Amino acid sequence: EVQLVESGGGLVRPGGSLRLSCAASGFSLSSYQMNWVRQVPGEGLEWVSSISRDSTFIKYADSVKGRFTTSRDDAKNSLYLQIDGLRVEDTAVYYCARDRYPHYVPGVASVAEIGFWGQGVMVSVSS
Amino acid sequence: IIMTQSPATLSMSPGESATLSCRTSQSVYNKLAWYQQTPGRPPRLLIYGGTTTDTGVPARFGGRGFGTEFTLTINSLQSEDFGVYYCQQYYSWPLTFGGGTKVEIK
Repeated sequence: EVQLVESGGGLVRPGGSLRLSCAASGFSLSSYQMNWVRQVPGEGLEWVSSISRDSTFIKYADSVKGRFTTSRDDAKNSLYLQIDGLRVEDTAVYYCARDRYPHYVPGVASVAEIGFWGQGVMVSVSS
Repeated sequence: IIMTQSPATLSMSPGESATLSCRTSQSVYNKLAWYQQTPGRPPRLLIYGGTTTDTGVPARFGGRGFGTEFTLTINSLQSEDFGVYYCQQYYSWPLTFGGGTKVEIK
């Protein structure tokens, strides 16, 4: 059974940092491009970042570029999101998500639909 | 790519059919997915490639469209179908989502 379990969320003051983790099981993480998507409670979905299966390509939304860093450790079956310089507007549920199928094109930041989502972890930024 | 979903809210009765619309600001060809989100749950992939139903998704869900105009149809609404539906394009970076259509019980 595919499982994605996020952790590391919490309440942080503006300007602070957090490191979110996503533990993957039930599939070979190394074969999949992975994503972070966030959702302000009661609002819509916002794509945050994607990382190719070999970490060659890491994409970020303009709203987080320069403050968020996505990484992965396939040996530990884990995906990470380092969040620095937190702002009140970063308050949201953060979802770890896997592409639907394992795709890879050397030298190309290929795109695919998101096929599976974790339960999410809440990040609250407030003074 | 800007994603526009309409209507924002659909008030329906169980057993009725619902049609949700998604429009993109430029062609995404068939790189369009639909997700369902029920309260307290993460999104669930329903449709990809504009028209292909994901594994395990009931046959009452159907997607149509190509280019810039897409629809999601839900035939004979069941109680578990009430929630918010999002479209998303994966034709180009950045990935973008529509604002969602809430399907609520009338």
